[in-house]
Amino acid sequence: DTAVSQTPKYLVTQMGNDKSIKCEQNLGHDTMYWYKQDSKKFLKIMFSYNNKELIINETVPNRFSPKSPDKAHLNLHINSLELGDSAVYFCASRTGRDPTDTQYFGPGTRLTVL
Amino acid sequence: DQQVKQNSPSLSVQEGRISILNCDYTNSMFDYFLWYKKYPAEGPTFLISISSIKDKNEDGRFTVFLNKSAKHLSLHIVPSQPGDSAVYFCAISSAGKSTFGDGTTLTVKP
Repeated sequence: DTAVSQTPKYLVTQMGNDKSIKCEQNLGHDTMYWYKQDSKKFLKIMFSYNNKELIINETVPNRFSPKSPDKAHLNLHINSLELGDSAVYFCASRTGRDPTDTQYFGPGTRLTVL
Repeated sequence: DQQVKQNSPSLSVQEGRISILNCDYTNSMFDYFLWYKKYPAEGPTFLISISSIKDKNEDGRFTVFLNKSAKHLSLHIVPSQPGDSAVYFCAISSAGKSTFGDGTTLTVKP
């Protein structure tokens, strides 16, 4: 009974392809996030959804499109993949009732674009 | 502009000794400061946090110190254990958005 799960764990694909990463949380949280961790180890926020509504959209190419069908799921679709998209992508969630902003992370999806 | 910096990419300590991990930030408008721990092939997990109105928070072997005038945050682990070997990220939080540092890899030698 994993709290935040992501699929797939590894994704290897060719440049120009379109791919999706799925995220689900069973914690009953209302806010979910996507982060990108590149080779320099920085965890950079990409998007945040609160109750299916986009609330944070950092400077991310519009080839990246998040979709939240319900508040337990936040998927990430990437069009026309580029070499620079290779990274580890983490999904996270939090509850609005916790003022500390403690986030619960999934195990990550390692994307490799060839 | 990097708002959160962890200037030491790695730290090695002997088991039983104190580990001190440091974090500097540039913006003062944050509500909470957090530390996360990350093992290889796993996501970060929350370790300890501190409110911007406090200067110290302790939880077992872990203590976080906040020096607002210096814009500096530190995590003390004492005594360090081999199982503490991991990457540690500091994060600063405001209004539901966290900004992370680039991590410090701690190695605790038996």
